Amino acid sequence: NAGVTQTPKFQVLKTGQSMTLQCAQDMNHNSMYWYRQDPGMGLRLIYYSASEGTTDKGEVPNGYNVSRLNKREFSLRLESAAPSQTSVYFCASSEINGNTIYFGEGSWLTVV
Amino acid sequence: AQSVTQPDIHITVSEGASLELRCNYSYGATPYLFWYVQSPGQGLQLLLKYFSGDTLVQGIKGFEAEFKRSQSSFNLRKPSVHWSDAAEYFCAVGPSGGYQKVTFGIGTKLQVIP
Repeated sequence: NAGVTQTPKFQVLKTGQSMTLQCAQDMNHNSMYWYRQDPGMGLRLIYYSASEGTTDKGEVPNGYNVSRLNKREFSLRLESAAPSQTSVYFCASSEINGNTIYFGEGSWLTVV
Repeated sequence: AQSVTQPDIHITVSEGASLELRCNYSYGATPYLFWYVQSPGQGLQLLLKYFSGDTLVQGIKGFEAEFKRSQSSFNLRKPSVHWSDAAEYFCAVGPSGGYQKVTFGIGTKLQVIP
């Protein structure tokens, strides 16, 4: 039972570098999400994809791009990493009319 | 706009003691409410959820939560805490139906002392 799988689990980037966080789910869910988690801020939604072929901005989209590659996969790209993007990133998925989100184990990103 | 308040950032309880974690929400319609738990270095796991019906909801690991509409609260409880319950707990609120846009609280970190 893989559920939601994120890669990489840990990454250190230099300011200005780019990288892509990969996410895949095997629950046949329509909707997928990227969150960031920062101390004292809880989880904040970066982008989401309600269904294959659609993406929408969440609360904190600046500095990020996403791609819904297919129904299973939803990637998050940092084009030019900044120290403010040091965070823990979580991918999640749910049914399009469902009300329960299932999370991956997180990706720890440090930008120096 | 919807919002969630978890007034306690840190809580320390003794093993075997009872636990109550507070959650207040603001939402314009009938809310869907959730409690998630996050163990260190892990993702969030759903403990329980409330959509409608019985306002006392049972979840996994012996947790329960009670929805009180008049108080806009959804507090999480456990009668006897185990050391393995040490984790961070997140309350969340979302819309009913449609695709989901869930707002999370900032979390309550639970420490359990022997």
